[in-house]
Amino acid sequence: GAVVSQHPSWVICKSGTSVKIECRSLDFQATTMFWYRQFPKQSLMLMATSNEGSKATYEQGVEKDKFLINHASLTLSTLTVTSAHPEDSSFYICSADDRQRNIQYFGAGTRLSVL
Amino acid sequence: DAKTTQPPSMDCAEGRAANLPCNHSTISGNEYVYWYRQIHSQGPQYIIHGLKNNETNEMASLIITEDRKSSTLILPHATLRDTAVYYCIVRVLGATNKLIFGTGTLLAVQP
Repeated sequence: GAVVSQHPSWVICKSGTSVKIECRSLDFQATTMFWYRQFPKQSLMLMATSNEGSKATYEQGVEKDKFLINHASLTLSTLTVTSAHPEDSSFYICSADDRQRNIQYFGAGTRLSVL
Repeated sequence: DAKTTQPPSMDCAEGRAANLPCNHSTISGNEYVYWYRQIHSQGPQYIIHGLKNNETNEMASLIITEDRKSSTLILPHATLRDTAVYYCIVRVLGATNKLIFGTGTLLAVQP
């Protein structure tokens, strides 16, 4: 299957700092990418839909000013967790929509720990 | 998107077929059935999808009932590496293409 690269895979940061996570589709162009969050022993929760060249669409209850999404090219979307706090510690996962195959491919995830 | 119902957990003996059921009784005519799995601490992996015909690929087979209200994912010869949470998701192909994950089925393949 197609490859979606997510970086970093693991990050520890101090409370109050910002963290940027990158999501790249390596062998197809993705007009749309998605960002999910997953807490331990829970399912994936969709945070936002990232659209190339336009503003992201956030799910209800997700703070757009805290989770900044940029989708500047057809192969790259970034999620920045601003002013991170311990409650933001979670597993963040991106996906990219391959519209030719009608399949969403997922990155390996980023484990964020905020101290 | 329509909701799906899956058993929370299942066991399967290594080498045997694993049959994972999914109910989607409110599925619409233009909604596809997708299956993904998530091995612990990794991103979800696409397995297979279909609309109304049965589908097979190198990983699995997908059997969709004629009324499309339920489906079964079949792993023909389960291995220990198939232990994962399996998600059945129904999805309309359109402007948003969102995948909404339910709680899935934890498949434990036993040696």
